[in-house]
Amino acid sequence: QLQLQESGPGLLKPSETLSLTCTVSGGFIYRSTYYWGWFRQPPGKGPEWIGTIYYTGSAYFNPSLKSRIIMSPPTSMNQFSLKLTSVTAADTAVYYCARRCSSRKCFTDWGRGAQVTVSS
Amino acid sequence: SYVLTQPPSVSVAPGQTAIITCGGTKIDTKHVHWYQQKPGQAPVLVVFDDRDRPSGIPERFSGSNSGDTATLTITRVEAGDEADYYCQVWERDSDPVTFGEGTKLTIL
Repeated sequence: QLQLQESGPGLLKPSETLSLTCTVSGGFIYRSTYYWGWFRQPPGKGPEWIGTIYYTGSAYFNPSLKSRIIMSPPTSMNQFSLKLTSVTAADTAVYYCARRCSSRKCFTDWGRGAQVTVSS
Repeated sequence: SYVLTQPPSVSVAPGQTAIITCGGTKIDTKHVHWYQQKPGQAPVLVVFDDRDRPSGIPERFSGSNSGDTATLTITRVEAGDEADYYCQVWERDSDPVTFGEGTKLTIL
C-alpha cells in the first residue's frame, strides 16, 4: 500500500494559480503503470473529480474544469502535480490525490488532503 | 452527465443492519464503488465493483447492484461505522468520474 501526501499553499487570492504536489512513499512510482487522480471536496459536499493522469502523461479531466487544469505525471522524485489556474472562491476545498485501483475504476490509497482557501 | 442519487441520511441502532442506496439509470450496467469518509479524513474504499471488498475491510460490509439501484449493506453496525458514505461510478476512461451526494450514517 502506498502513502500519499498533498502539499502546497493553503491560501490564494482570486485569479492566482493553485499548485499542489502529491508525494508518494512506500514504492517507486516513476514510470509505474498506475493511474493517479486528483479530487476536491468543498465544505459539506461530496468529492468532486478533477482529473486522472497516467504515467505517460495521458490524462482525462473534469469537463467543467478542463480549461483551467494543468496536470503532470509522476517524476523520479516520486511526485505528481496539479495546477488550477484563475482560481475563485468556488475553488475553496480540501484537495486530495489518490491512486486508481489496479484494473478497476475505483480509487485507493488516498492522501490525507490539503485545505485550499481562495480569499481576497 | 450521469447522476447518482443517495438518501441524505440513514440512522440505525448498534447491532442492526444499515442499508444505503445509490440510484442511477440502469446502474446495474455499471460498476459501483463505495467509500466511507469520517470527519476530517480521506475517503476509504470499502466496496469495489459492486460487491468486492478490499483487503482489510470487514465482511460486515457488502454490496449489490440491480436495476436502477446499487446498495451498500453494513451488518451488525458499530459506533465506528458512523460516517458519510459515497457511491462512485466510472465506466470508460473518457467518462467523468461521478460520485453520489453522500449518505450520513448515524448510529443511534
